[in-house]
Amino acid sequence: GQNIDQPTEMTATEGAIVQINCTYQTSGFNGLFWYQQHAGEAPTFLSYNVLDGLEEKGRFSSFLSRSKGYSYLLLKELQMKDSASYLCAASDSNYQLIWGAGTKLIIKP
Amino acid sequence: SQTIHQWPATLVQPVGSPLSLECTVEGTSNPNLYWYRQAAGRGLQLLFYSVGIGQISSEVPQNLSASRPQDRQFILSSKKLLLSDSGFYLCAWSVLGAGANVLTFGAGSRLTVL
Repeated sequence: GQNIDQPTEMTATEGAIVQINCTYQTSGFNGLFWYQQHAGEAPTFLSYNVLDGLEEKGRFSSFLSRSKGYSYLLLKELQMKDSASYLCAASDSNYQLIWGAGTKLIIKP
Repeated sequence: SQTIHQWPATLVQPVGSPLSLECTVEGTSNPNLYWYRQAAGRGLQLLFYSVGIGQISSEVPQNLSASRPQDRQFILSSKKLLLSDSGFYLCAWSVLGAGANVLTFGAGSRLTVL
C-alpha cells in the first residue's frame, strides 16, 4: 500500500535549526512536496523535489533520496512564525498526492 | 494572478441537514480541482477531483457528492449530513506542468455537525 510517515510533533528553539523527516512508499513516484499549515489555515506550498539532492530556498531547504524513500525539510534560523504543521506529500504514478498526517513544530523563545 | 475562493468559511449544521460548499478559481483555465477533508490530527483525505466540466472522480464512498457545472467552479454537497462529516474542508486547484502537480488551496470551510 501507499504510506507516508513523519513525526507527530517536534519542539525547537528560536534561532536554531530543525530537520523534519519523512519516509514514503508509493506506487510509482512523481515527486515529493512539503507544505506549511498554520493552525486553522489552509496549507501553503513550500517545496518540490523530484531528483535526488538538496533544494535550497532561503531559510528552508528540502532533501530527497529516491532510493531510500526519504525526504527531509530543514528550517534554519527559526522564527516564532515558523510554528506550524509541516505536511509531507508524495506524488504517485497518477500524479495523485499521498499525504502524511503532518508534523506540528513548536518554537520556543 | 490566480486566486481561489471558498465559502462559507464556517458553518454549524444539524445532523440530517443538507450541505453545499462552493469553490471558484480565477485567473486560470481548465484547472484540476479537488475537495479534501482534514480531520483533527490526521492527514488530508482526498474526497473528489475533477479534470474538466462534468468529470468527477470519487476517492472515498460516502454520503457526499461533487459537481463541476462550470470550468472554474466546484461544489461539494450532501443531502443528509452525518456527525462524522464534521471537519475542515479544503478546495484546491492545480495545473499539471513539468511533472509537478502543485496544489493551491482555498482558505477552507470548517463544518461542525451537531
